[in-house]
Amino acid sequence: EIVMTQSPGTLSVSPGEGATLSCRTSESVGTNVAWYQQRPGQAPRLLIQTASVRAGDLADRFTGSGSGTEFALTISSLQSEDFAIYYCQQYQEWPYTFGRGTKLEIK
Amino acid sequence: EVHLLESGGALVQPGGSLRLSCAASGFTFSNHAMTWVRQAPGKGLEWVADISATGYSIYYADSVKGRFTISRDNSKNTLYLQMNSLRAEDTAVYYCAKEVGGVSLEPFDFWGQGTLVTVSS
Repeated sequence: EIVMTQSPGTLSVSPGEGATLSCRTSESVGTNVAWYQQRPGQAPRLLIQTASVRAGDLADRFTGSGSGTEFALTISSLQSEDFAIYYCQQYQEWPYTFGRGTKLEIK
Repeated sequence: EVHLLESGGALVQPGGSLRLSCAASGFTFSNHAMTWVRQAPGKGLEWVADISATGYSIYYADSVKGRFTISRDNSKNTLYLQMNSLRAEDTAVYYCAKEVGGVSLEPFDFWGQGTLVTVSS
């Protein structure tokens, strides 16, 4: 199966600053990567699909990038509601696999 | 508005069985593949099972293959997960999620709030 490696495990950032979360896949997945946000006590929420396409009415401070095996989620000007856990997922092949998540915490 | 409501979670003994349901509304259920994802307490997300819009194509994680069965009733807009031979390591919140399209290998654009399954004696 395709292994998803997210880094860092925890990222401490001050509100208003930016953050970049990384995701690496064990083999090429093209652009078949999604990013999800999970706030405490809530279900995950789709942020980005096809590596860089924002979902629904997602704020444009969220930007996804990458292809092949290297992907990133960049969040500019962090707001209080952005502090959460972020997961990347590949849907290139079975089984679907997720990274272990990056916890974005307030510094 | 898309709404997914899971039910059926409970405390069950090892070796027991449970059936989860996911009632869907706000979209044309029969046009979308559906999936189950679980999250053990304090852990990350683990995909469990997937079913195409027609129900013709079904996939399972190796960890549940042979024990869990995913199904759907498009006339009732409901997704199911029959869980047999439950183990302690199956303890988790189980989420149902809608996929973007009708065939599988798509991202999950809407999730339910989850139902807790606890396997313990």
